[in-house]
Amino acid sequence: DAKTTQPTSMDCAEGRAANLPCNHSTISGNEYVYWYRQIHSQGPQYIIHGLKNNETNEMASLIITEDRKSSTLILPHATLRDTAVYYCIVSFWTGTASKLTFGTGTRLQVTL
Amino acid sequence: DTEVTQTPKHLVMGMTNKKSLKCEQHMGHRAMYWYKQKAKKPPELMFVYSYEKLSINESVPSRFSPECPNSSLLNLHLHALQPEDSALYLCASSLGLSTGNTIYFGEGSWLTVV
Repeated sequence: DAKTTQPTSMDCAEGRAANLPCNHSTISGNEYVYWYRQIHSQGPQYIIHGLKNNETNEMASLIITEDRKSSTLILPHATLRDTAVYYCIVSFWTGTASKLTFGTGTRLQVTL
Repeated sequence: DTEVTQTPKHLVMGMTNKKSLKCEQHMGHRAMYWYKQKAKKPPELMFVYSYEKLSINESVPSRFSPECPNSSLLNLHLHALQPEDSALYLCASSLGLSTGNTIYFGEGSWLTVV
């Protein structure tokens, strides 16, 4: 399955955009990029996913490079409640089911 | 509504006990998952069910026994666990099994084995 590489931690000022990068250079053609976040002691929360095109929803935007080897999650106006661990995951097809293999993620700290 | 409900939220059990974790979703999803998350580590896949049949078992020890009685319910039966099995157990579901189907997680069940 395709591995992802993310910075261990990032800081962002409240109200500013948070741009979280992810490298997934071994991604295959039909594998999706997913972003989840996990706030302490809670289950992972789905944020957004994409295959080739950029995507936007009410929470965030996902920018995927043309070669699909990297992506960036953008939280347009970060708030203190966005402080969490953010996981970039490539959904891998095993032949019988898809798998989400979590990496170590990026710990985003939003500060005043 | 993307709700996956897990009970209990907290469970303390002895190494000789038998207990179960329960998971329920009413989104019409046909795939359900169990993940295990140790402290300060990312979640790890344990089992995947599709249409109530086991699709993936990630070489999980037999002291963990999953059961999918119907498409809305998923249980994880626990027996003769070890203290190192203490973790957050996450249930999840998705509409289908393909890589484009979003997986939604519950809030988890915190398990402590004493």
